[in-house]
Amino acid sequence: GAVVSQHPSRVICKSGTSVKIECRSLDFQATTMFWYRQFPKQSLMLMATSNEGSKATYEQGVEKDKFLINHASLTLSTLTVTSAHPEDSSFYICSATRGGTGELFFGEGSRLTVL
Amino acid sequence: AQRVTQPEKLLSVFKGAPVELKCNYSYSGSPELFWYVQYSRQRLQLLLRHISRESIKGFTADLNKGETSFHLKKPFAQEEDSAMYYCALRYNQGGKLIFGQGTELSVKP
Repeated sequence: GAVVSQHPSRVICKSGTSVKIECRSLDFQATTMFWYRQFPKQSLMLMATSNEGSKATYEQGVEKDKFLINHASLTLSTLTVTSAHPEDSSFYICSATRGGTGELFFGEGSRLTVL
Repeated sequence: AQRVTQPEKLLSVFKGAPVELKCNYSYSGSPELFWYVQYSRQRLQLLLRHISRESIKGFTADLNKGETSFHLKKPFAQEEDSAMYYCALRYNQGGKLIFGQGTELSVKP
């Protein structure tokens, strides 16, 4: 099946620094990628929809200046958490839509811990 | 607004018992409904989609438009079924998925 890979899988940073998380579709081109945030044993909260070559569409309540999303190519989208704070600590998951069936494939997630 | 509701946060059953994980949705059109499963320390993976009407790992789910439900069922639970289960809705192909709160299924020996 199709593979979506995230990097890094874990990151620890100091408060006030910025962290970049990459999401790659390894064997297919993804015109649309989605970024989710997940708290322990809770639902996935959609943060934004990332379209290749255009600005991301953010969900209500998600700060676009805080969570910068770039979708520079058909296989790569990045999420940058700027000026991170402890409350940004979470599990961030990306997913990518493969054309045709529109099936969604998920990355393994990236756990961010802000000290 | 589109919404997916999974009323049970935790469902605990014994091995061999039947299982039903409930999912209700609110959407006025014709959505696509999915069930995703997340095993411990693994990524989210697709279990079922309503349009394929197939059975995966013994699980089935029927879309009931009258009751706006898409409950997940398995006649005989196995210990390896223990995981988080998420019901999700999408209202156009390629569009965003909206997830329910998730139900943790625990199958005891």
